[in-house]
Amino acid sequence: GEDVEQSLFLSVREGDSSVINCTYTDSSSTYLYWYKQEPGAGLQLLTYIFSNMDMKQDQRLTVLLNKKDKHLSLRIADTQTGDSAIYFCAEVSSNTGKLIFGQGTTLQVKP
Amino acid sequence: KAGVTQTPRYLIKTRGQQVTLSCSPISGHRSVSWYQQTPGQGLQFLFEYFSETQRNKGNFPGRFSGRQFSNSRSEMNVSTLELGDSALYLCASRARPGETQYFGPGTRLLVL
Repeated sequence: GEDVEQSLFLSVREGDSSVINCTYTDSSSTYLYWYKQEPGAGLQLLTYIFSNMDMKQDQRLTVLLNKKDKHLSLRIADTQTGDSAIYFCAEVSSNTGKLIFGQGTTLQVKP
Repeated sequence: KAGVTQTPRYLIKTRGQQVTLSCSPISGHRSVSWYQQTPGQGLQFLFEYFSETQRNKGNFPGRFSGRQFSNSRSEMNVSTLELGDSALYLCASRARPGETQYFGPGTRLLVL
């Protein structure tokens, strides 16, 4: 079936790089997404990558896609305390077009 | 362009009551999806509407229903509320199926 897995927690120091990992199962998924959720808020689209790309960079964010291993990662350079949030990886179901989310990774940034 | 708006933002109901949540999509977007977020189950898809027709439905009981109006605004209704329905209900819109979804701030429902 369709499933997305993420580690639940990551703690880094301010200024370090953060890497959040995700694995997915739908090899036909066309787009993969990263969303950010701050406390009490909805989901904010951070970035996405098309399945025929290996990498996408957007300012401090770098997305790496390994299609063979169905592995997606989000790297945040120079992590700031404002980056503390829950990060969700999501794939688009090739059958239904709906988003399948991982459990979310809580990123804690220590000053 | 204004983002996705949801009303109300917070709601308290008691078991057995019913509730209606509203979502206004980004202007020009014709697809609206609804998700339930709970600490235990995470983010789960409820249903998607496009041009007033339900396209997809998640694995939720019939107590959960929705509709979409000709102006693309959508409502979600939950009847006979249970304690387990307490959750953050998120609405997302996109121009059409297959395109990127943008989320609203959510409606937090507490069932007592």
